[in-house]
Amino acid sequence: GDSVTQMEGPVTLSEEACLTINCTYTATGYPSLFWYVQYPGEGLQLLLKATKADDKGSNKGFEATYRKETTSFHLEKGSVQVSDSAVYFCALRASGSARQLTFGSGTQLTVLP
Amino acid sequence: DAGVIQSPRHEVTEMGQEVTLRCKPISGHDYLFWYRQTMMRGLELLIYFNNNVPIDDSGMPEDRFSAKMPNASFSTLKIQPSEPRDSAVYFCASSIYTTGRTEAFFGQGTRLTVV
Repeated sequence: GDSVTQMEGPVTLSEEACLTINCTYTATGYPSLFWYVQYPGEGLQLLLKATKADDKGSNKGFEATYRKETTSFHLEKGSVQVSDSAVYFCALRASGSARQLTFGSGTQLTVLP
Repeated sequence: DAGVIQSPRHEVTEMGQEVTLRCKPISGHDYLFWYRQTMMRGLELLIYFNNNVPIDDSGMPEDRFSAKMPNASFSTLKIQPSEPRDSAVYFCASSIYTTGRTEAFFGQGTRLTVV
């Protein structure tokens, strides 16, 4: 079945450091790929998405590129802020008629001032 | 729009009691999902509806769990009887499937503690 594998956390960085959170997936066809962010005590919010190969999703300084050849969708940010501290989830929606999302296990990011 | 609204935000109940979680999806969305989040298992899909009809309930852990969607603006997830291992955060999400808009929007969740 479909699955998403994320790098395990927690990840702790200093402010202005570079961030990469790895995400790889297993799915047939061409799934849509997403990054969601969960701030403490909150629900999940969509951060960015990509719906076809080589698409780059971007939002709030975060980027991720849909790489079909490596089945990856790594999340990157060039300079993190304390306010970026949250849990980040990679997810996919399978191609075809599926509507539900399959999530990775989440990566806790803490950014220190 | 107010987004997906869940109630209550927090629920503490004793083992054996019935628990009902409520969700109001975003108006116009035709898909509704119930997820459960735990440290051990992460985010698990329990069930989802399309146009108020359950499509896939294979994630519902056992017969103690049931979900209904009597109309387009309301859904419930019921646990009867509740057990301590049901303690988790339960999220409701909704979506509308149109070209370029396939993401789901999540509520703030209900944190359930069964003692």
